[in-house]
Amino acid sequence: DAGVIQSPRHEVTEMGQEVTLRCKPISGHDYLFWYRQTMMRGLELLIYFNNNVPIDDSGMPEDRFSAKMPNASFSTLKIQPSEPRDSAVYFCASSAGGTSGATDTQYFGPGTRLTVL
Amino acid sequence: AQSVTQLDSQVPVFEEAPVELRCNYSSSVSVYLFWYVQYPNQGLQLLLKYLSGSTLVKGINGFEAEFNKSQTSFHLRKPSVHISDTAEYFCAVSEGNTGFQKLVFGTGTRLLVSP
Repeated sequence: DAGVIQSPRHEVTEMGQEVTLRCKPISGHDYLFWYRQTMMRGLELLIYFNNNVPIDDSGMPEDRFSAKMPNASFSTLKIQPSEPRDSAVYFCASSAGGTSGATDTQYFGPGTRLTVL
Repeated sequence: AQSVTQLDSQVPVFEEAPVELRCNYSSSVSVYLFWYVQYPNQGLQLLLKYLSGSTLVKGINGFEAEFNKSQTSFHLRKPSVHISDTAEYFCAVSEGNTGFQKLVFGTGTRLLVSP
C-alpha cells in the first residue's frame, strides 16, 4: 500500500492567495483527519470525516478554512484568503475505524509544509 | 476536556543507555493512550497504544509504556537506545465521550541520541 498521499509537499504563497491542500487516504479507510503542526501550538486536529461526512470541525480556526471529502479516496483543505499565521505543516491521516473507533491506528501522510509570505 | 503534558521538551542520551519519556494526561473519563514517533520531515508513526487490559504495553522498535491510572501517566521507556531513535515523540489521548477517534497530542519530546 502506498500509504496516505498528500500534495503538494511544499507550498509557498503570498498573503491573500487561495491555497488548496490535497489528501488521498489509504484505500478502505473510512476515517480521515486533517491536522496542523506549528512550533507555537503543536499538533492540532482541525477536522475529521467518517464515510466522507464531516463529524467534528471544532478545530477549524476560522471561516477562511474549509475542508471537503467528495469521495472515499480524496479530500481537500482550502484556505482562502491565506495569511502568514497559517504557515505550518498540515498533515492528513486516515484510519479504518471499526466498531470501537480509536482501536484502529491513524496513519499519517508526510505532510504539506505551507509558507505564506 | 482531556489534555496531555510532556514535561521534557528535549532529552539527550548516549547510545545504549536507557531512556524514559514522560507523559501525563488529564481526563475524567475512560481514555485510550498512544505514543507516536516523528522522524525529520516525515509524518507520525504509531509506536504503541493502550486501550484496555494489561497496563504494560509493548510497541515497535523495542519501546514499551506503562499505564498508571492513579498517577494519570503513560511513560515511554526503552532499555537501550540507538542513534536511529533520534526523533520527536508525541503522547496522545482520546476519550470515550468524544468518540475515541479524536486525538489530543502533547507538545512532543525530542530525543537526541549521541554516540
